[in-house]
Amino acid sequence: EVQLVESGGGLVQPGGSLRLSCAASGFTFSSYWMSWVRQAPGKGLEWVANIKPDGSAKNYVDSVKGRFTISRDNAELSLSLQMNSLRAEDTAVYYCARGGFSDAVWDYWGQGTLVTVSS
Amino acid sequence: DIQMTQSPSSLSASVGDRVTITCRASQGISSWLAWYQQKPKKAPKSLIYAASSLQSGVPSRFSGSGSGTDFTLTISSLQPEDFATYYCQQYNSYPITFGQGTRLEIK
Repeated sequence: EVQLVESGGGLVQPGGSLRLSCAASGFTFSSYWMSWVRQAPGKGLEWVANIKPDGSAKNYVDSVKGRFTISRDNAELSLSLQMNSLRAEDTAVYYCARGGFSDAVWDYWGQGTLVTVSS
Repeated sequence: DIQMTQSPSSLSASVGDRVTITCRASQGISSWLAWYQQKPKKAPKSLIYAASSLQSGVPSRFSGSGSGTDFTLTISSLQPEDFATYYCQQYNSYPITFGQGTRLEIK
């Protein structure tokens, strides 16, 4: 059974940092693009970043470029999102998702982890 | 960036109704379109990819069509578990973008 379990969310002050993790199981992690998608409270979905199976290519939405870094450890079956210089508008539930059909179409999602940026 | 516009933003319907949600892209995206269903406090669920391909396990009452800039998601006979919010998403080019969502409510 495919499972994606996010962790690392919490309350952080503006300008602070947080590192999200996603533990994967039940599939060959090293064969799939992986993404982070977020959803601000009461709002729609926003793609944040994705990473190629071997980690050699990464893409980001403009609003997080230079502040967020996506990475993966295929040996540990884990995906990470390092978030620096956090802003109030980064407040959201962050989902880890597997690119099942392409680099950016997701067939499995984690349950999400809430990041709140507030003083 | 490619803008995705869904209509309507909300919709009231009854069990057994046929429902259609539309999604328009601001430029042509071929068939690089997906649909997701999301229930409150839950992660999105994949329904359709490549505009019309049904994800494994998704009931056949869901169907998708379109190409270029205009797409539709149709639910042929609404079931109680279908009341949710639906999102379209383009993956033709980066940044990947979603429609604003269509909330499907019980009439």
